[in-house]
Amino acid sequence: NAGVTQTPKFRVLKTGQSMTLLCAQDMNHEYMYWYRQDPGMGLRLIHYSVGEGTTAKGEVPDGYNVSRLKKQNFLLGLESAAPSQTSVYFCASTTTGAGNQPQHFGDGTRLSIL
Amino acid sequence: GEDVEQSLFLSVREGDSSVINCTYTDSSSTYLYWYKQEPGAGLQLLTYIFSNMDMKQDQRLTVLLNKKDKHLSLRIADTQTGDSAIYFCAAKLSGGYQKVTFGIGTKLQVIP
Repeated sequence: NAGVTQTPKFRVLKTGQSMTLLCAQDMNHEYMYWYRQDPGMGLRLIHYSVGEGTTAKGEVPDGYNVSRLKKQNFLLGLESAAPSQTSVYFCASTTTGAGNQPQHFGDGTRLSIL
Repeated sequence: GEDVEQSLFLSVREGDSSVINCTYTDSSSTYLYWYKQEPGAGLQLLTYIFSNMDMKQDQRLTVLLNKKDKHLSLRIADTQTGDSAIYFCAAKLSGGYQKVTFGIGTKLQVIP
């Protein structure tokens, strides 16, 4: 049982390049989330999805786009990478919005923008 | 909006108890969580408590909730070196898309 899988695990980009981070879950979860983790700031929500074909903005959506074409996959795109987007990105998923269904996290993607 | 605060660092000796504290600001928070993050890994859920409970115990872990003071603590009994990690407190507000606010994390260092 893989749970939440993120690819790639590490990536270095140059300013202005684009890339897509992939999150895949095999738990048939409806809700999926993208967070970024920065030193001294905890986790901040970038975008989320409450089901296949739906996406919505979180706290810090600027510079990112997402897509949820398939229930099991949630993609995070950086169209034109900036050094401020250097961070560790975590994907999470959960069954429903109920509080007794906590979020399950992937191992993260470490992204450096030069 | 919700704000969750934690101290940055805690150091304990192996075998002692660890207590990690957390405060939150929104009294309508319904669920409160503790996650553990080991180096290079994602967040792993340790335990959670519903806001109508005062305490929850799970093996070496004890969660205490003081709803009046909006204070949450995680006690780890007989702390081991394998408990060294960053511990995140998180709070969920009722309704919506399961908006969860995370603290910045407390780094626990266990000294052998």
